[in-house]
Amino acid sequence: EAGVVQSPRYKIIEKKQPVAFWCNPISGHNTLYWYRQNLGQGPELLIRYENEEAVDDSQLPKDRFSAERLKGVDSTLKIQPAELGDSAVYLCASKKQGPGGETQYFGPGTRLLVL
Amino acid sequence: DAKTTQPPSMDCAEGRAANLPCNHSTISGNEYVYWYRQIHSQGPQYIIHGLKNNETNEMASLIITEDRKSSTLILPHATLRDTAVYYCIVVKAAGNKLTFGGGTRVLVKP
Repeated sequence: EAGVVQSPRYKIIEKKQPVAFWCNPISGHNTLYWYRQNLGQGPELLIRYENEEAVDDSQLPKDRFSAERLKGVDSTLKIQPAELGDSAVYLCASKKQGPGGETQYFGPGTRLLVL
Repeated sequence: DAKTTQPPSMDCAEGRAANLPCNHSTISGNEYVYWYRQIHSQGPQYIIHGLKNNETNEMASLIITEDRKSSTLILPHATLRDTAVYYCIVVKAAGNKLTFGGGTRVLVKP
């Protein structure tokens, strides 16, 4: 079974530029998460999707961040414009929908450096 | 969700058991204890979870105290590849969210 796929793995941009990250979850996983992980800290949830619906985006900085999951499968997270403080690892995770716990499967992440 | 407290770091010897403690004194009856780990440059990986009974799988064992206020993750025979940050997380049964703390940075030494 293929795991969660993310691309790119690394991205270096200058501040004020836009950037996008892509995630393809495990097949059959209806729930998709985006996390941000700053250096030396644990991941922090940005947004959670159930199928194509964003059901928890309370931690997403909506002035510059946006996300979509149009067909309820893969997802894109965008930052426009990027700021120096956005340098972090952006992780995508997925799990099967419904009760039964929080066994989430994480991708390798995209490491973003904003110069 | 209940907050957890873990030591920031610990060392263990290769081949020996590694015992990772976690305090969750405010845990409520419908909350589970989950353990994840994150190896350098990888995403977090699920290890094990439990409610009140001890649990064991191919990766580790989870011992939860009778009052459920603390737990211990046991890696029975630590290898160098077990070097990672280990996160103890308390999750509501009907929840849909993992709230990561700082975790314990475990270094397995030869």
